[in-house]
Amino acid sequence: GAGVSQSPSNKVTEKGKDVELRCDPISGHTALYWYRQSLGQGLEFLIYFQGNSAPDKSGLPSDRFSAERTGGSVSTLTIQRTQQEDSAVYLCASSPRTGGVTNEKLFFGSGTQLSVL
Amino acid sequence: AQSVTQLGSHVSVSEGALVLLRCNYSSSVPPYLFWYVQYPNQGLQLLLKYTSAATLVKGINGFEAEFKKSETSFHLTKPSAHMSDAAEYFCAVSGDTGRRALTFGSGTRLQVQP
Repeated sequence: GAGVSQSPSNKVTEKGKDVELRCDPISGHTALYWYRQSLGQGLEFLIYFQGNSAPDKSGLPSDRFSAERTGGSVSTLTIQRTQQEDSAVYLCASSPRTGGVTNEKLFFGSGTQLSVL
Repeated sequence: AQSVTQLGSHVSVSEGALVLLRCNYSSSVPPYLFWYVQYPNQGLQLLLKYTSAATLVKGINGFEAEFKKSETSFHLTKPSAHMSDAAEYFCAVSGDTGRRALTFGSGTRLQVQP
């Protein structure tokens, strides 16, 4: 597809269950970001992948959160033992990162709405 | 460290009126500043960006923003609001080499009244 694709679009889970959220970035984009959007909280940075470099995990809120990016393309964000405070929209974005941060333009997916009951 | 503060979580204007959305930033290095817009049921998209060239930046749909270093501000304006401008607007900063990702503000929801 032409844009960033995220699946599922909605996920309802029970407290304590594990969930996996998927992101398909735009083909050829080397940078991939995960953000979390909570009601009234804006966008919270979670993790950043750039090419083959070690990911920047500094935004992950706890060790229950992890992410991987296979083959420099698809990324999966995993939340273990979900809690109610994990309920939010999880956004993925990709960027070509061809010219450094001055040319940074993020292309966002539509997000996954996670509801933890 | 870098941060962004957006004053006013909700702004309401009449159609045809001036739009002013406020953004103040904090950055330990010269910043790069961005405005993103999220229309209802759509993903965020880039509206405009400041990257140390001209301080007045023009974006899509008639929006513009002015970088004022002395005020650490990057307010977004549009002379005449249109109904289609109703959306949530996010200011973001990047410049801290220790953090490659953009740091976003909490967003401002713009309502346009007929």
